[in-house]
Amino acid sequence: EVQLVESGGGLIQSGGSLRLSCAASGFTISSNYMSWVRQAPGKGLEWVSVIYSDSDTYYADSVKGRFTISRDKSKNTVYLQMNSLRAEDTAMYYCARVSRNSDGFTTFAFDMWGQGTVVTVSS
Amino acid sequence: QTVVTQEPSFSVSPGGTVTLTCGLNSGSVSTAYYPSWYQQTPGQAPRTLIYSTNTRSSGVPDRFSGSIVGNKAALTITGAQADDESDYYCVLYMGSGISLFGGGTKLTVL
Repeated sequence: EVQLVESGGGLIQSGGSLRLSCAASGFTISSNYMSWVRQAPGKGLEWVSVIYSDSDTYYADSVKGRFTISRDKSKNTVYLQMNSLRAEDTAMYYCARVSRNSDGFTTFAFDMWGQGTVVTVSS
Repeated sequence: QTVVTQEPSFSVSPGGTVTLTCGLNSGSVSTAYYPSWYQQTPGQAPRTLIYSTNTRSSGVPDRFSGSIVGNKAALTITGAQADDESDYYCVLYMGSGISLFGGGTKLTVL
């Protein structure tokens, strides 16, 4: 079955660190761009970060310098290391695969989503 | 600062047609932004509807269509149904690895 399963969320104090995991099955993460998207309670979706198949990484300004996206090919898992957490980082965090078209080129769109993991930062 | 704009809310009658838009606070949206659209109901992960402006994702009914209308990306729902009542989000690719979500549109079917 092709799916993404996130884990690692929880309650953490402001200033603390947390590492989220996104285990993929049914496809190879290193052949795709993989992203993290978050949603604060009652708010809209916010793009957080992406790791390209060539390992280049990019971040939203709101998390740059604090969050790091990475992957482990042997475990087919993507990670989001979150440091210096703030109350405004409280959100549901979704892992998402960036799709490719029939020619193999990225569409910069998300075609598969996990169910998410909740991060709560207490101040 | 670049902001992706969407109507905060919209309503449509059952069986009616509605067009939601996705713009920029500065500039025009074109296919070069690879606009995509997502549907989300409360408590659920988003569902992909449209990518690359007008390509329907697998399993999405053809009453959902995407286009560029004027200087914005657009999602049109034809023959709206009760279960189309959801939040709809667009995403634009801004270049240099960065994607931006719009603020979302809450669609009511009544």
